[in-house]
Order: sequence, then C-alpha cells, then structure tokens
Amino acid sequence: GIQVEQSPPDLILQEGANSTLRCNFSDSVNNLQWFHQNPWGQLINLFYIPSGTKQNGRLSATTVATERYSLLYISSSQTTDSGVYFCAVRDFGNEKLTFGTGTRLTIIP
Amino acid sequence: KAGVTQTPRYLIKTRGQQVTLSCSPISGHRSVSWYQQTPGQGLQFLFEYFSETQRNKGNFPGRFSGRQFSNSRSEMNVSTLELGDSALYLCASSPQGQGYTFGSGTRLTVV
Repeated sequence: GIQVEQSPPDLILQEGANSTLRCNFSDSVNNLQWFHQNPWGQLINLFYIPSGTKQNGRLSATTVATERYSLLYISSSQTTDSGVYFCAVRDFGNEKLTFGTGTRLTIIP
Repeated sequence: KAGVTQTPRYLIKTRGQQVTLSCSPISGHRSVSWYQQTPGQGLQFLFEYFSETQRNKGNFPGRFSGRQFSNSRSEMNVSTLELGDSALYLCASSPQGQGYTFGSGTRLTVV
C-alpha cells in the first residue's frame, strides 16, 4: 500500500517563529489532507489539498503531486498551534485515508 | 451545519465484553469511515461504508464489524474485547470524492 512519511517527528519553537512541516508519499494520490489533532483527540481539518497551494490565515499548504510531497507552513506561531499535525492521503481506487505518523509541534511562550 | 457526531465520548469495558460505537455523519454525506488510533500503531483504517454497503475493510480481525443505516448513520461493534482494543476510535464522513471531516472520537478503555 501507499506509504506516507512526515518530517520532522518533533519540532519545538519559540512563539512567533515560522515552521515548515513536510509530507512525502510513495504513489499518486487523489486526496491529501492536513489535520491538527487537538488535546481532546479530534482531528481538525486544515486543508484539503491534492495539488496546488492554499492559504488560510497564518497557515498555508502546497502539494506538488508530480513530486509526491506536500508542505504545511505555519507563520508567527502561537501556543495554540501546539499539537500533532497529520498528513493523510487517499490513493486512486481506494476509499480510505492512509496517515503519516505525525509531527508533534510544541510552541514555547 | 452540524458536524460528525460520535457517541459515547468515553467508555470503559471489561475484557471479553462487547461494545457498540455510534457515528452520525454530516447531513448529505453518504460515506462514513472508521479509524483506530493507538500510541503504538498510529491511525489505522478500519472500514468504510457508502449507501449501507461496506466498500473497504482494513486489516483487523473479524471481532471488528460495522454497519450503516439508510439515514447514513453508522455503528461499529467490537466483540470479545481485548486489552489491546483500548484506543481512540474516530469516525469520518465525506461527500463523494472530497475531503473527510472527523468526529470527536470515542475513547475506549478495556480493563
């Protein structure tokens, strides 16, 4: 099956810093999503981005489908950005998401 | 519009018992899928339903089963619970061919 790798596994930053999270996947996909898991466990959808670039406030994401990677950018980090960020993909012909192992982001005040 | 609703939020069961979890999708979403999250295995796909039919099943034993009703609500059942079934169970719904929205999850503890 498709493999999804996220890097870095852990990231500790000072409040106000910028960060870049990476997701590599091993095959063509027809769906890629970035999620933020809150402390209560809910996966909050950040972006549905199988290709191209999107922005939402301080967050933006870019997926280069031909090179099989996606990047999530967080600018001017706040303590509320702390948590685990997951990338998940769905490959063609498959109605399921395959998740990466996540990036744990800690923002220090 | 209301999100994906999962009940109950927390559950404690004893080994050998069975459990049923419920998921109500976003209105109009016909696809419902279930995932298990554990510290050791991460997020793993359990199964996916569309219009009351299971379209995909993950690599889980037969003790894990599910169904979907005509109103798209879904239930999953785990029989003969084992300690290793302790996990966060997440349900997601999606309109066909688009992104998934997840519920808040059910945290199951087996003692």
